[in-house]
Amino acid sequence: GQNIDQPTEMTATEGAIVQINCTYQTSGFNGLFWYQQHAGEAPTFLSYNVLDGLEEKGRFSSFLSRSKGYSYLLLKELQMKDSASYLCAVRDDAGNMLTFGGGTRLMVKP
Amino acid sequence: DSGVTQTPKHLITATGQRVTLRCSPRSGDLSVYWYQQSLDQGLQFLIHYYNGEERAKGNILERFSAQQFPDLHSELNLSSLELGDSALYFCASSVAWGGSNEQFFGPGTRLTVL
Repeated sequence: GQNIDQPTEMTATEGAIVQINCTYQTSGFNGLFWYQQHAGEAPTFLSYNVLDGLEEKGRFSSFLSRSKGYSYLLLKELQMKDSASYLCAVRDDAGNMLTFGGGTRLMVKP
Repeated sequence: DSGVTQTPKHLITATGQRVTLRCSPRSGDLSVYWYQQSLDQGLQFLIHYYNGEERAKGNILERFSAQQFPDLHSELNLSSLELGDSALYFCASSVAWGGSNEQFFGPGTRLTVL
Protein backbone atom coordinates (compact mmCIF):
# COMPACT_ATOMS: atom_id res chain seq x y z
CA GLY A 1 0.00 0.00 0.00
CA GLN A 2 0.91 3.66 -0.03
CA ASN A 3 1.14 6.07 2.89
CA ILE A 4 1.73 9.74 2.17
CA ASP A 5 2.16 12.43 4.81
CA GLN A 6 2.17 16.19 4.44
CA PRO A 7 1.39 19.00 6.88
CA THR A 8 -2.26 19.95 7.11
CA GLU A 9 -1.84 23.70 7.07
CA MET A 10 0.85 26.33 6.54
CA THR A 11 0.85 30.09 6.60
CA ALA A 12 3.31 32.36 4.81
CA THR A 13 3.69 36.02 3.88
CA GLU A 14 3.29 37.50 0.42
CA GLY A 15 6.66 37.74 -1.31
CA ALA A 16 8.27 35.10 0.89
CA ILE A 17 9.39 31.54 0.16
CA VAL A 18 7.61 28.46 1.53
CA GLN A 19 8.57 24.80 1.47
CA ILE A 20 5.89 22.11 1.67
CA ASN A 21 7.21 18.69 2.63
CA CYS A 22 5.87 15.29 1.69
CA THR A 23 7.05 11.92 2.97
CA TYR A 24 5.89 8.64 1.54
CA GLN A 25 6.10 4.92 2.25
CA THR A 26 5.06 2.89 -0.73
CA SER A 27 5.15 -0.67 -1.98
CA GLY A 28 5.95 0.65 -5.44
CA PHE A 29 7.05 3.94 -6.98
CA ASN A 30 6.77 5.31 -10.47
CA GLY A 31 6.94 9.05 -9.97
CA LEU A 32 5.78 11.76 -7.60
CA PHE A 33 3.45 14.57 -8.59
CA TRP A 34 2.47 17.87 -7.03
CA TYR A 35 -0.93 19.38 -7.75
CA GLN A 36 -2.49 22.68 -6.73
CA GLN A 37 -6.16 22.77 -5.82
CA HIS A 38 -8.23 25.85 -5.05
CA ALA A 39 -11.30 25.20 -2.92
CA GLY A 40 -14.07 23.51 -4.88
CA GLU A 41 -12.01 23.38 -8.07
CA ALA A 42 -10.11 20.71 -9.96
CA PRO A 43 -6.50 19.89 -9.08
CA THR A 44 -4.02 21.35 -11.57
CA PHE A 45 -0.62 19.83 -12.32
CA LEU A 46 2.45 21.60 -10.95
CA SER A 47 5.38 19.22 -11.18
CA TYR A 48 6.62 15.68 -11.70
CA ASN A 49 9.72 13.97 -10.29
CA VAL A 50 10.83 10.44 -10.97
CA LEU A 51 14.60 10.78 -10.47
CA ASP A 52 16.37 12.26 -7.45
CA GLY A 53 17.01 15.96 -7.58
CA LEU A 54 15.42 19.30 -8.16
CA GLU A 55 13.02 20.25 -10.94
CA GLU A 56 12.50 23.97 -11.41
CA LYS A 57 9.58 25.58 -13.17
CA GLY A 58 9.33 29.33 -12.76
CA ARG A 59 8.38 30.21 -9.17
CA PHE A 60 7.83 26.54 -8.33
CA SER A 61 10.46 23.87 -7.70
CA SER A 62 10.10 20.29 -6.56
CA PHE A 63 12.70 18.02 -5.03
CA LEU A 64 12.78 14.25 -4.69
CA SER A 65 14.90 11.83 -2.67
CA ARG A 66 13.78 8.28 -3.41
CA SER A 67 16.06 6.71 -0.80
CA LYS A 68 14.50 8.88 1.91
CA GLY A 69 10.95 8.70 0.60
CA TYR A 70 10.87 12.48 0.67
CA SER A 71 9.83 15.33 -1.57
CA TYR A 72 9.24 19.01 -1.16
CA LEU A 73 7.57 21.73 -3.16
CA LEU A 74 9.20 25.15 -2.98
CA LEU A 75 7.18 28.23 -3.83
CA LYS A 76 9.06 31.50 -4.27
CA GLU A 77 7.85 35.10 -4.40
CA LEU A 78 4.54 34.09 -2.91
CA GLN A 79 1.43 35.77 -4.26
CA MET A 80 -2.02 35.95 -2.71
CA LYS A 81 -3.34 33.71 -5.49
CA ASP A 82 -1.02 30.93 -4.26
CA SER A 83 -3.41 30.43 -1.33
CA ALA A 84 -4.66 26.92 -2.11
CA SER A 85 -4.21 23.28 -1.16
CA TYR A 86 -1.11 21.51 -2.43
CA LEU A 87 -1.42 17.80 -3.01
CA CYS A 88 1.47 15.37 -3.10
CA ALA A 89 0.74 12.17 -5.05
CA VAL A 90 2.72 9.00 -5.70
CA ARG A 91 2.13 6.82 -8.74
CA ASP A 92 2.20 3.03 -8.47
CA ASP A 93 4.65 0.75 -10.28
CA ALA A 94 2.26 -0.05 -13.09
CA GLY A 95 1.68 3.64 -13.69
CA ASN A 96 -2.04 3.26 -13.27
CA MET A 97 -3.03 5.14 -10.19
CA LEU A 98 -2.10 8.14 -8.11
CA THR A 99 -2.29 7.94 -4.34
CA PHE A 100 -2.73 11.39 -2.87
CA GLY A 101 -1.72 12.76 0.47
CA GLY A 102 -4.29 14.69 2.46
CA GLY A 103 -3.07 17.99 1.05
CA THR A 104 -1.47 21.04 2.64
CA ARG A 105 -3.64 24.12 2.85
CA LEU A 106 -1.43 27.16 2.33
CA MET A 107 -2.63 30.58 3.42
CA VAL A 108 -0.70 33.55 2.06
CA LYS A 109 -1.09 36.71 4.13
CA PRO A 110 -0.31 40.29 3.05
CA ASP B 1 -9.59 24.79 -18.64
CA SER B 2 -8.02 21.32 -18.73
CA GLY B 3 -10.03 20.10 -21.72
CA VAL B 4 -11.71 17.40 -19.64
CA THR B 5 -15.47 17.85 -19.32
CA GLN B 6 -17.79 16.41 -16.72
CA THR B 7 -21.55 16.48 -16.44
CA PRO B 8 -23.53 17.30 -14.47
CA LYS B 9 -21.78 19.90 -12.31
CA HIS B 10 -24.12 19.37 -9.41
CA LEU B 11 -26.39 16.48 -8.53
CA ILE B 12 -28.76 16.25 -5.60
CA THR B 13 -30.51 12.98 -4.96
CA ALA B 14 -31.93 10.80 -2.20
CA THR B 15 -30.57 7.76 -0.42
CA GLY B 16 -31.17 4.52 -2.26
CA GLN B 17 -31.15 6.16 -5.68
CA ARG B 18 -28.84 5.56 -8.64
CA VAL B 19 -26.96 8.22 -10.61
CA THR B 20 -24.64 8.33 -13.61
CA LEU B 21 -21.74 10.74 -13.91
CA ARG B 22 -20.26 11.41 -17.30
CA CYS B 23 -16.76 12.35 -18.38
CA SER B 24 -15.23 13.27 -21.73
CA PRO B 25 -11.43 13.14 -21.79
CA ARG B 26 -9.15 15.60 -23.57
CA SER B 27 -8.90 15.06 -27.29
CA GLY B 28 -6.32 12.33 -27.92
CA ASP B 29 -6.23 11.00 -24.36
CA LEU B 30 -6.88 7.29 -24.06
CA SER B 31 -6.73 6.96 -20.27
CA VAL B 32 -9.56 7.96 -17.96
CA TYR B 33 -9.38 7.93 -14.17
CA TRP B 34 -12.11 8.47 -11.58
CA TYR B 35 -11.48 9.94 -8.13
CA GLN B 36 -13.67 10.68 -5.14
CA GLN B 37 -12.93 13.62 -2.87
CA SER B 38 -14.75 13.93 0.42
CA LEU B 39 -13.92 16.24 3.31
CA ASP B 40 -12.65 13.51 5.59
CA GLN B 41 -10.98 11.22 3.04
CA GLY B 42 -9.12 13.49 0.67
CA LEU B 43 -8.72 12.53 -2.98
CA GLN B 44 -9.19 8.77 -3.45
CA PHE B 45 -8.51 6.83 -6.64
CA LEU B 46 -11.48 4.75 -7.79
CA ILE B 47 -10.73 3.22 -11.19
CA HIS B 48 -8.63 3.58 -14.37
CA TYR B 49 -9.63 2.75 -17.94
CA TYR B 50 -7.37 2.74 -20.95
CA ASN B 51 -8.83 2.61 -24.45
CA GLY B 52 -11.99 0.92 -23.26
CA GLU B 53 -10.41 -1.61 -20.90
CA GLU B 54 -10.23 -1.52 -17.13
CA ARG B 55 -6.61 -1.28 -15.99
CA ALA B 56 -6.73 -0.74 -12.25
CA LYS B 57 -9.19 -0.53 -9.39
CA GLY B 58 -8.70 1.37 -6.18
CA ASN B 59 -11.05 1.71 -3.25
CA ILE B 60 -14.19 1.46 -5.35
CA LEU B 61 -17.30 0.13 -3.66
CA GLU B 62 -19.24 -2.74 -5.23
CA ARG B 63 -22.21 -0.38 -5.53
CA PHE B 64 -20.12 1.69 -7.95
CA SER B 65 -19.26 0.71 -11.49
CA ALA B 66 -17.71 2.41 -14.48
CA GLN B 67 -17.10 1.90 -18.15
CA GLN B 68 -15.30 3.57 -21.02
CA PHE B 69 -17.03 3.62 -24.37
CA PRO B 70 -15.57 3.31 -27.91
CA ASP B 71 -15.61 7.11 -28.27
CA LEU B 72 -13.49 7.17 -25.08
CA HIS B 73 -15.98 8.96 -22.87
CA SER B 74 -16.56 7.32 -19.52
CA GLU B 75 -19.44 6.94 -17.10
CA LEU B 76 -19.38 6.27 -13.38
CA ASN B 77 -22.52 4.65 -12.03
CA LEU B 78 -23.33 4.95 -8.35
CA SER B 79 -26.21 2.89 -6.99
CA SER B 80 -27.99 2.35 -3.66
CA LEU B 81 -26.67 5.73 -2.66
CA GLU B 82 -25.86 6.45 0.96
CA LEU B 83 -25.32 9.74 2.78
CA GLY B 84 -21.61 8.99 2.91
CA ASP B 85 -21.39 8.97 -0.88
CA SER B 86 -21.80 12.74 -0.89
CA ALA B 87 -18.54 14.04 -2.36
CA LEU B 88 -16.86 15.66 -5.32
CA TYR B 89 -16.23 13.15 -8.09
CA PHE B 90 -13.40 14.00 -10.44
CA CYS B 91 -12.51 12.49 -13.74
CA ALA B 92 -8.99 12.85 -15.09
CA SER B 93 -7.41 11.90 -18.37
CA SER B 94 -3.95 11.34 -19.76
CA VAL B 95 -2.48 10.32 -23.09
CA ALA B 96 -1.50 6.88 -21.83
CA TRP B 97 -0.14 5.91 -18.44
CA GLY B 98 3.23 5.91 -16.70
CA GLY B 99 6.19 8.05 -17.73
CA SER B 100 5.68 11.76 -17.42
CA ASN B 101 2.05 11.45 -18.43
CA GLU B 102 0.36 13.91 -16.17
CA GLN B 103 -3.31 13.56 -15.41
CA PHE B 104 -5.57 16.46 -16.34
CA PHE B 105 -8.58 16.83 -14.07
CA GLY B 106 -12.08 17.82 -15.05
CA PRO B 107 -14.10 20.35 -13.03
CA GLY B 108 -15.82 17.62 -11.03
CA THR B 109 -19.39 16.65 -10.21
CA ARG B 110 -20.60 17.57 -6.75
CA LEU B 111 -22.94 14.86 -5.52
CA THR B 112 -25.19 15.52 -2.56
CA VAL B 113 -27.17 12.60 -1.15
CA LEU B 114 -30.03 13.64 1.14
